[in-house]
Amino acid sequence: DIQMTQSPSSLSASVGDRVTITCRASQSISGYLNWYQQKPGKAPKLLIYAASSLQSGVPSRFSGSGSGTDFTLTISSLQPEDFATYYCQQSYSSPYTFGQGTKLEIK
Amino acid sequence: EVQLVQSGAEVKKPGESLKISCKGSGYSFTSYWIGWVRQMPGKGLEWMGIIYPGDSDTRYSPSFQGQVTISADKSISTAYLQWSSLKASDTAMYYCARPRSGGTSYDAFDIWGQGTMVTVCS
Repeated sequence: DIQMTQSPSSLSASVGDRVTITCRASQSISGYLNWYQQKPGKAPKLLIYAASSLQSGVPSRFSGSGSGTDFTLTISSLQPEDFATYYCQQSYSSPYTFGQGTKLEIK
Repeated sequence: EVQLVQSGAEVKKPGESLKISCKGSGYSFTSYWIGWVRQMPGKGLEWMGIIYPGDSDTRYSPSFQGQVTISADKSISTAYLQWSSLKASDTAMYYCARPRSGGTSYDAFDIWGQGTMVTVCS
């Protein structure tokens, strides 16, 4: 299985901050990397697919980059509704594993 | 509207069997894979497996192979996740989800069910 490692595991930030979350794969996954947002008691929501493509309806303050083994999710200016847990997922090779998650909290 | 609607919460005893469902609507059910994702209480997302209802091609994570069975009934646009003998450690929220692209398993999940909470306790 391909292991996905996110950093940091948790992060405190303020409204308006620029935030970056990193995801590293245990082997090259080309650009097959997706990012999800999950709020408590809710199903995950797709933000970014194929490393850098913004899912329809997702605000443009979210962006993704990377290829191979190293990827980032950036939120350019945090909004109150962005405080949630974020997961990366590789869809290069089955099983399509998730990272352990990054909990973004209000400072 | 494209949606996946899952069956309701379940409370079961260890050793019991269970089958939960995920009904697709608003799209061609046989043209898209459907995956299952586990989330144990307070924990992260775990990819369990995926099925293509068109021909029942199924892939499992090694972590879940032999522990659960994924199936689909295309006549009623419904996918299933089942256990033959539940354990307390199966207590979790289970989500079904559909990839963005038809015919491909290796795409992001853009449609998710609301989740089914399974509680196993004696």
